Amino acid sequence: DIVMTQSPDSLIVSLGERATINCKSSQSVLSSSNNKNYLAWYQQKPGQPPKLLIYWASTRESGVPDRFSGSGSGTDFTLTINSLLAEDVAVYYCQQYYSTPSLTFGQGTKLEIK
Amino acid sequence: QVQLVQSGAEVRKPGASVKVSCKASGYTFSNYYLHWVRQAPGQGLEWMGIVSPSGANTYYAQKFQGRVTMTSDTSTATIYMELSSLRSEDTAVYYCARDGGRYQPHNWFDPWGQGTLVTVSS
Repeated sequence: DIVMTQSPDSLIVSLGERATINCKSSQSVLSSSNNKNYLAWYQQKPGQPPKLLIYWASTRESGVPDRFSGSGSGTDFTLTINSLLAEDVAVYYCQQYYSTPSLTFGQGTKLEIK
Repeated sequence: QVQLVQSGAEVRKPGASVKVSCKASGYTFSNYYLHWVRQAPGQGLEWMGIVSPSGANTYYAQKFQGRVTMTSDTSTATIYMELSSLRSEDTAVYYCARDGGRYQPHNWFDPWGQGTLVTVSS
C-alpha cells in the first residue's frame, strides 16, 4: 500500500492568515499516461462526515471557496488555505487513488484558530 | 440534491455480525460506484471497499477480505455493508460515500453519508 504522511499533525493559525498542510506519499501518484496526480483533499469538521475539497491534486470541487488551493506533484503535495476563517477549523486529510483498489489516507492534520 | 442516508447506530457483541445500509437519492443510482470508509473513535479514515451500483463488482481492502460483504439493491437504490466476526477494534463510525466518477470509478469520495456508529462490546 502507498503510505500517506501529513505534516504537521496539528496547526494553529490566526484568523485572516494562511494555513499550509503538507502531504507526502511513499511512492509517486503521478500517472505517466495522463500526467495527472491521483491525490484528493478532504475537510472534516467536528461531528460531520468528510467533505471533498480538491481532486487531481489541484482541481477544486464545485462550491469550494477559492481560498482553498492544492498544489504539488509526484510525491509531495500541499493544501493551502488563504484568509483563514473560523469556519475552517477542521481536520484535513489527503488521499491517494493511484493505487487502486488499495486507497489510502494521510493521518490527518488538525487546524485550529489562534 | 445528492443524499446518502445511512441506518442507525448498532451495538454488537464480539464475534457477532453487523449490516449497515446506505440509501442513495438525488441522482441516477446506476451511474456511480459507492465506497465504504470507517473511522475509529478519534482516529483517521480507513477505506474498506467499493461496490458497483449493480452489486456485480466488489473490491475489498485486503485487511477486510473474508470478513466483509458489500451488496447493492438497485430496486431501492440502497447498498449494504456486512462485517462479521466483530472485535472491539471494529468499533467505529462507518461511512458510505459515492465515487467521484460517473460510469467508471475515479476513487475519490463525494458526497458522504452521515455515518453509522457501530459499537462492539461485551
